[in-house]
Amino acid sequence: DQQVKQNSPSLSVQEGRISILNCDYTNSMFDYFLWYKKYPAEGPTFLISISSIKDKNEDGRFTVFLNKSAKHLSLHIVPSQPGDSAVYFCAATRGETSGSRLTFGEGTQLTVNP
Amino acid sequence: GAVVSQHPSRVICKSGTSVKIECRSLDFQATTMFWYRQFPKKSLMLMATSNEGSKATYEQGVEKDKFLINHASLTLSTLTVTSAHPEDSSFYICSATVGKGLAGGRYEQYFGPGTRLTVT
Repeated sequence: DQQVKQNSPSLSVQEGRISILNCDYTNSMFDYFLWYKKYPAEGPTFLISISSIKDKNEDGRFTVFLNKSAKHLSLHIVPSQPGDSAVYFCAATRGETSGSRLTFGEGTQLTVNP
Repeated sequence: GAVVSQHPSRVICKSGTSVKIECRSLDFQATTMFWYRQFPKKSLMLMATSNEGSKATYEQGVEKDKFLINHASLTLSTLTVTSAHPEDSSFYICSATVGKGLAGGRYEQYFGPGTRLTVT
């Protein structure tokens, strides 16, 4: 049962343009969502997160949007840079205690062409 | 801050032997550590959750007698793959959390660089 899904395995954009990565979830109990970036043979790096009480969170070039009614979130990267090329995972969790389990999507390979 | 290391970064072992992977939080005390496994072009699959001083909680389908987890301190957790077989070959990643993220958010997990295990 894949509770977090990233339906696009890959995305290719031109440098300077916007990258939009999408993520859908099925578990309505999830209340916190995160995006991670991963390079080959490395561990994921935390990028940005959003609580279910918000619908938008922005950090520099990265903005995450949450649509709870649609159980959908997206990560926008503007402007995209070649160094952004990596696999992006969205993850979701629930609960109030620390160390809650993360459920990951399958990842989207972003390629930013110079 | 929030650096997690893993050792070794890659290991090749013969079938039937055991391999130990270490995960350390270098500049913070981790209340919880997680072990993941990643297959090629697949998502990270949580194997187990480990709290310092207590038994690990394994995900469904993960053999606890095969993947031994020891969390001896707030900065160190180890995963031992016992009697390894070629199908255990994978990329193993640990993560650590302090509860509230260092950026002020919740639940951020900080990941190690991973260990590539190849069983021949």
